Amino acid sequence: QKEVEQDPGPLSVPEGAIVSLNCTYSNSAFQYFMWYRQYSRKGPELLMYTYSSGNKEDGRFTAQVDKSSKYISLFIRDSQPSDSATYLCAMTASGAGSYQLTFGKGTKLSVIP
Amino acid sequence: GAVVSQHPSWVICKSGTSVKIECRSLDFQATTMFWYRQFPKQSLMLMATSNEGSKATYEQGVEKDKFLINHASLTLSTLTVTSAHPEDSSFYICSPHGTGAYGYTFGSGTRLTVV
Repeated sequence: QKEVEQDPGPLSVPEGAIVSLNCTYSNSAFQYFMWYRQYSRKGPELLMYTYSSGNKEDGRFTAQVDKSSKYISLFIRDSQPSDSATYLCAMTASGAGSYQLTFGKGTKLSVIP
Repeated sequence: GAVVSQHPSWVICKSGTSVKIECRSLDFQATTMFWYRQFPKQSLMLMATSNEGSKATYEQGVEKDKFLINHASLTLSTLTVTSAHPEDSSFYICSPHGTGAYGYTFGSGTRLTVV
């Protein structure tokens, strides 16, 4: 079993839809969770950074963490064509020096006008 | 904070030559630098980790003599792909980490094509 599982998609939704992206993980040491957006041929762009279980909202984006279930989600409201990209979840353990990120495979999202 | 500059954004080189990729942290001091490689439709794979002033630590399967990493200052790290071969063609991305950097930010990536 891989440490981080993420459905690669592709996921295609109409403009204005609510998008739900998910990752599961097996390593209970992971404490910090991130979501990145990556456009083609570009570096990943940090969208959300969370630590606690629960929800964190930033504009149209909501990150949800459930440590008991080892499950994280990213919701995108009122999706736009400009949201079309690959979304990567990433996580890392707490503690000094534990900065290495473990990534999901990424989910390719297309928002159709 | 956490502005990262990576150059070049793309490069084409002949097989057997060397290519240097630069990564700069513009508004923070990068005590640690991560170098990743990403093949098409794949996720990021960590190649090596370097701390300023120390030798880099390479992941299993990554040749340290082929991928030379220099992290001599807190704002600049370089990755040199030596004697490049077509199978080294990939997307290389740096990720500096340090005081003042929020979360984990990445450079814009370098697309290397070896012909």
